[in-house]
Amino acid sequence: SAVISQKPSRDICQRGTSLTIQCQVDSQVTMMFWYRQQPGQSLTLIATANQGSEATYESGFVIDKFPISRPNLTFSTLTVSNMSPEDSSIYLCSVEGVGAGTEAFFGQGTRLTVV
Amino acid sequence: SQQGEEDPQALSIQEGENATMNCSYKTSINNLQWYRQNSGRGLVHLILIRSNEREKHSGRLRVTLDTSKKSSSLLITASRAADTASYFCASRGPGYNKLIFGAGTRLAVHP
Repeated sequence: SAVISQKPSRDICQRGTSLTIQCQVDSQVTMMFWYRQQPGQSLTLIATANQGSEATYESGFVIDKFPISRPNLTFSTLTVSNMSPEDSSIYLCSVEGVGAGTEAFFGQGTRLTVV
Repeated sequence: SQQGEEDPQALSIQEGENATMNCSYKTSINNLQWYRQNSGRGLVHLILIRSNEREKHSGRLRVTLDTSKKSSSLLITASRAADTASYFCASRGPGYNKLIFGAGTRLAVHP
């Protein structure tokens, strides 16, 4: 299993500003993922954070809006840039292995409110 | 959308009753997983069933998988108030590394 520390746990931000969310894992992992969960909705994958290379973004998400860093195998950050109220969501980082029998482990999430 | 569907969207039962949640997915899978989320916090993995399995048990949880219908169900027996949470299925396709989550079921168990 993996223990993930995600911070901040919540924040209230002014529109037009940016927030950086940190995700620290207690062991080296190959795959790290960032998800968004809009109010009352399910999880949507934003991007896969790749160590040593640019993140791989899903359709509808762009690097300018959600820049991601992955400097090593235990740490990643997601920045939500130029925020608007529509960015109010829970953002979750996740780690998992590769293969048929792999479960995912999640951080506790960052509840972001943009006012 | 690639997202799977779950029903019901919300379920309200009394303690001691059983709760059944259903999930459908759209593509062939390598495995299907169920997660629980309390009050908008992080997700906790409950159980994983592989594409070549039809049923799996873990404590009070029972999961079934029907690949011909691209569907799965999660049964929680003898529910408790502490089972109140949102439950999500997530499918992993062959050759993919990403999970595709269903819409989720909000379960409320009343004492």
